[in-house]
Amino acid sequence: QVQLVQSGAEVKKPGASVKVSCKASGYAFTTYGISWVRQAPGQGLEWMGWISTSYGTTKYAQNFQDRVSMTTDTSTSTVYMELRTLRSDDTAVYYCARDETAVKDYWGQGTLVTVSS
Amino acid sequence: QSALTQPASVSGSPGQSITISCTGTSSDVGGYNYVSWYRQHPGKAPKLIIFEVSNRPSGVSTRFSGSKSGNTASLTISGLQAEDEADYYCSSYTSSHTHVFGTGTKVTVL
Repeated sequence: QVQLVQSGAEVKKPGASVKVSCKASGYAFTTYGISWVRQAPGQGLEWMGWISTSYGTTKYAQNFQDRVSMTTDTSTSTVYMELRTLRSDDTAVYYCARDETAVKDYWGQGTLVTVSS
Repeated sequence: QSALTQPASVSGSPGQSITISCTGTSSDVGGYNYVSWYRQHPGKAPKLIIFEVSNRPSGVSTRFSGSKSGNTASLTISGLQAEDEADYYCSSYTSSHTHVFGTGTKVTVL
């Protein structure tokens, strides 16, 4: 069965970086891209960007363009999302989702990132 | 890219039908048939319930249906059940090759 398993919760100080992983299984990894979506406490879903797992090409949302990097490791079927220069309002649950043609059909369990001094 | 506009809340009694709207522009909802809907229960990851405007993934109840007219997409839940109480989000592909979510709608079963 398709599974996306994310890394565990993180606590970071303002100005630091965080790198969240998303390990895929149960399907041919390079046939689907991966999107990252975040949800601040009590807020809605926010799309951060998408990566092609076959080519490594990326598309980022304008809000994150200069602070986010998404990479893929086909040898381990894992996608990474790094967010830099963290602020308190980056505190959120970060989700990865299998995504082709903007259809997010399977989601990871979410990773809580807390930014606090 | 601004979020798509959804009503903050919609409610209905068990067995009734409700409709949630999702309004965008010709650069997103109106320009593409890549509109999807997600249901999210508290503390859980979102779940896909409609893709490409009106298609249901395997295993999703036929009580869920989607449509689109112009720049507005709609999700209808018929035969409302207690388990339908959740947050619902629409999403669309955009002309900038990005994705955008709606503001979210809280569905309450009275």
